[in-house]
Amino acid sequence: NAGVTQTPKFQVLKTGQSMTLQCAQDMNHEYMSWYRQDPGMGLRLIHYSVGAGITDQGEVPNGYNVSRSTTEDFPLRLLSAAPSQTSVYFCASSYGSGGGYEQYFGPGTRLTVT
Amino acid sequence: TQLLEQSPQFLSIQEGENLTVYCNSSSVFSSLQWYRQEPGEGPVLLVTVVTGGEVKKLKRLTFQFGDARKDSSLHITAAQPGDTGLYLCAGALNGGSQGNLIFGKGTKLSVKP
Repeated sequence: NAGVTQTPKFQVLKTGQSMTLQCAQDMNHEYMSWYRQDPGMGLRLIHYSVGAGITDQGEVPNGYNVSRSTTEDFPLRLLSAAPSQTSVYFCASSYGSGGGYEQYFGPGTRLTVT
Repeated sequence: TQLLEQSPQFLSIQEGENLTVYCNSSSVFSSLQWYRQEPGEGPVLLVTVVTGGEVKKLKRLTFQFGDARKDSSLHITAAQPGDTGLYLCAGALNGGSQGNLIFGKGTKLSVKP
């Protein structure tokens, strides 16, 4: 069981570039989420999905897109990178309400936008 | 915006000391979770508390959920350097969904040998 995997581990982008952060889980969890973690701000929810084909916005969705075509994968797309998107990004999965929304986190992607 | 306040924000202690971290809100939670995060890694779930007044123990860590389910505490007895890390609490709002899971900003604990 690999749990939640994320790629890449580190990424540097120039302003205006686009990229996709990959996330996969092998626990057959219905719920998946993307968070960003910034100093002094804690973990903030970007987008989440309650199942394949269903996504919704979290607290800070602007500048990011998601889709969920399979239970296992939940990629996060940055459409046009901005310095304000410099952050550490975590993908998480959970059983949802049946599991008290307990989150299983990936190792994170550290993104720098110059 | 719903808030979950953690205190203290930073804590630096000597090995063997005891400490308590607090997580407070004006909102009622159906459950509350505690996570520990080490540098360069994702948070790892320590415990979930569900019932008001519930106490759970994990070796030297004791977690308590407030009677009204609005607050929680984490007490560490005889802290060890291996306890060093960022401790996060997260509350699931009553009747909420994945989008209603709120994280505190964390307590950064440093335990010196």
